Amino acid sequence: GQNIDQPTEMTATEGAIVQINCTYQTSGFNGLFWYQQHAGEAPTFLSYNVLDGLEEKGRFSSFLSRSKGYSYLLLKELQMKDSASYLCAVIRGSQGNLIFGKGTKLSVKP
Amino acid sequence: GAVVSQHPSRVICKSGTSVKIECRSLDFQATTMFWYRQFPKQSLMLMATSNEGSKATYEQGVEKDKFLINHASLTLSTLTVTSAHPEDSSFYICSATEGPETQYFGPGTRLLVL
Repeated sequence: GQNIDQPTEMTATEGAIVQINCTYQTSGFNGLFWYQQHAGEAPTFLSYNVLDGLEEKGRFSSFLSRSKGYSYLLLKELQMKDSASYLCAVIRGSQGNLIFGKGTKLSVKP
Repeated sequence: GAVVSQHPSRVICKSGTSVKIECRSLDFQATTMFWYRQFPKQSLMLMATSNEGSKATYEQGVEKDKFLINHASLTLSTLTVTSAHPEDSSFYICSATEGPETQYFGPGTRLLVL
């Protein structure tokens, strides 16, 4: 079966660091994406991991451990505009079929 | 990054009518396009995988006769919701890919069936 777990909601303070975890159990694995989605809008790409380790891109970093079925998204120097849902998605098939977690709603407070 | 467009962005229709949603990759040829549906406060659910020139592959529980997908070219896929009912009201999002590690989402189409 397919199972992708993320916390439902998180709250953090402007300027702080927050880590959003994602665990997965899927029948196939060809990589993992993190997307940001603001309410009523389509997801926007944040990161892609296919090998173990940390990928850093500006204020955002993403980590993957394939043996543990675990990933996290790290957001530094939080800004109010970072308030959004963050979606973890696993590439299941060779064509790129994505299976999404339910998303983590992040609220950044002043 | 690559651009994917969807049209219309918003549609309201009467129950029983059919609605067509277009998804276009504007600056690249998409080998595969995907259709997702998102209900309020829920995550995206993959409906079907569409490859140019071949029949779409539907996910379990998605009715292929109700959600008709046509992928006529490498830059255009269409989703037709046939005989739409209020429970089909949702946010429909397409994505297009050049390869497994790249997937670009369209802006979405909000469908409301009265």
